[in-house]
Amino acid sequence: TQLLEQSPQFLSIQEGENLTVYCNSSSVFSSLQWYRQEPGEGPVLLVTVVTGGEVKKLKRLTFQFGDARKDSSLHITAAQPGDTGLYLCAGSTSGTYKYIFGTGTRLKVLA
Amino acid sequence: DVKVTQSSRYLVKRTGEKVFLECVQDMDHENMFWYRQDPGLGLRLIYFSYDVKMKEKGDIPEGYSVSREKKERFSLILESASTNQTSMYLCASRPGKNTIYFGEGSWLTVV
Repeated sequence: TQLLEQSPQFLSIQEGENLTVYCNSSSVFSSLQWYRQEPGEGPVLLVTVVTGGEVKKLKRLTFQFGDARKDSSLHITAAQPGDTGLYLCAGSTSGTYKYIFGTGTRLKVLA
Repeated sequence: DVKVTQSSRYLVKRTGEKVFLECVQDMDHENMFWYRQDPGLGLRLIYFSYDVKMKEKGDIPEGYSVSREKKERFSLILESASTNQTSMYLCASRPGKNTIYFGEGSWLTVV
C-alpha cells in the first residue's frame, strides 16, 4: 500500500510562530496537492506542485516539492488563528487514477 | 471556480433505512469519488467512477453502492444503513489525473 506520511500529527503553537509540516513517501508522485480542512467542512485546495524542486508561495504559506518528487513540505510564517485546521497532502503516482492522502496534520494556532 | 455540491449537509437516519447521498459537479470532470472520513482513520475511498455508468470499488465498498447516470452526478447509496456508517462523507471530482476538488461534506448519523 502506498503511503503518504505527514509529520507532525498534531501541532499547537502561539500566534506569530513559524512552523513546517512534512509529507513523505517512498513513491514518486506525478503531482502533489496540499489541502486545508476546517471542522465540518470539506478539504479546500491550497496548491498543486508538479515539478521536482518546485517552490510555490501563497501569502504566508510556502510549499516545496522534493527534487525526487517523493516528499513535500509546507511552511507557515507568522501563523495566525485563521490558519487553524487539518492540513492534508495528497497526490497520485504516474499512470493511476488512485489518489493517496496523507495522514494529516492538525494545527491549532492560539491567539 | 470548480463547484462540487453535496445535496445534504446533515442527515439523521434510522438503522435499516435506505440512504441516498447526491453529488453534482459543474466542470465536466470525468472522474468522481466518494470518500468517508473518520477520526484517526483519515480519508478512505468508497467508490469512484471514471465515466458515466462506470464504477470501481475503492478500499471500503462494503455496504455501499453508487450510481452515475449522468456525467455531472454521482450518487452514493446505503442500501440498509447501519450505525457503523455514521461518518462524514465527502464527494470529489477530478479532470483526468489532475487535482481532486471536494464538496463541503455530508454528515450522516445513523441511529
